[in-house]
Amino acid sequence: QQQVRQSPQSLTVWEGETAILNCSYENSAFDYFPWYQQFPGEGPALLISILSVSDKKEDGRFTIFFNKREKKLSLHIADSQPGDSATYFCAASVGNMGYKLTFGTGTSLLVDP
Amino acid sequence: GGIITQTPKFLIGQEGQKLTLKCQQNFNHDTMYWYRQDSGKGLRLIYYSITENDLQKGDLSEGYDASREKKSSFSLTVTSAQKNEMAVFLCASSAGLGVNQDTQYFGPGTRLLVL
Repeated sequence: QQQVRQSPQSLTVWEGETAILNCSYENSAFDYFPWYQQFPGEGPALLISILSVSDKKEDGRFTIFFNKREKKLSLHIADSQPGDSATYFCAASVGNMGYKLTFGTGTSLLVDP
Repeated sequence: GGIITQTPKFLIGQEGQKLTLKCQQNFNHDTMYWYRQDSGKGLRLIYYSITENDLQKGDLSEGYDASREKKSSFSLTVTSAQKNEMAVFLCASSAGLGVNQDTQYFGPGTRLLVL
């Protein structure tokens, strides 16, 4: 049973557009949600994260919107650049087990110049 | 800063063979992890080690053994490679002991192909 789901599986946007990547979860105890970015041939790297006490987190062009009631969150990438082309993983953990992340299956983003 | 080194980068094995993957980190992190990444399936936790001399099974531990030789190194053994198996094994480390917002830092992976 997949506890963290991501959609779409793949996404193509034009350079300059806003890419929206979706994530949903089942375990209401999850309270920490990092997003990891992975380029081909590399390991994932932390991009941005949010705690469940917040409904929004911004870092430059990257914004997480979080809806605790619906158990959904989304990553918005504004002004998408070709260099943003990568696979993005949503993950989740329970506070007192912060070291044990549950990952989604990822969204592959392609930004066309 | 620090770095995670995984060896080998590529591993080709035979069915039934025992294969060992190695991971070294110089972050001085307490916790280390092994994940398996299959296309379309995300990352699945195989084993993790909270501190030196600790070993915990993840969701995908069957068919694997792990060893935390010292604080900086963590090895994973595929006990019997399965024919046509193809996956990337990722090692990661993090600083905290059950701390929320504990960032995991990943290595570049070992790519396994079993003939």
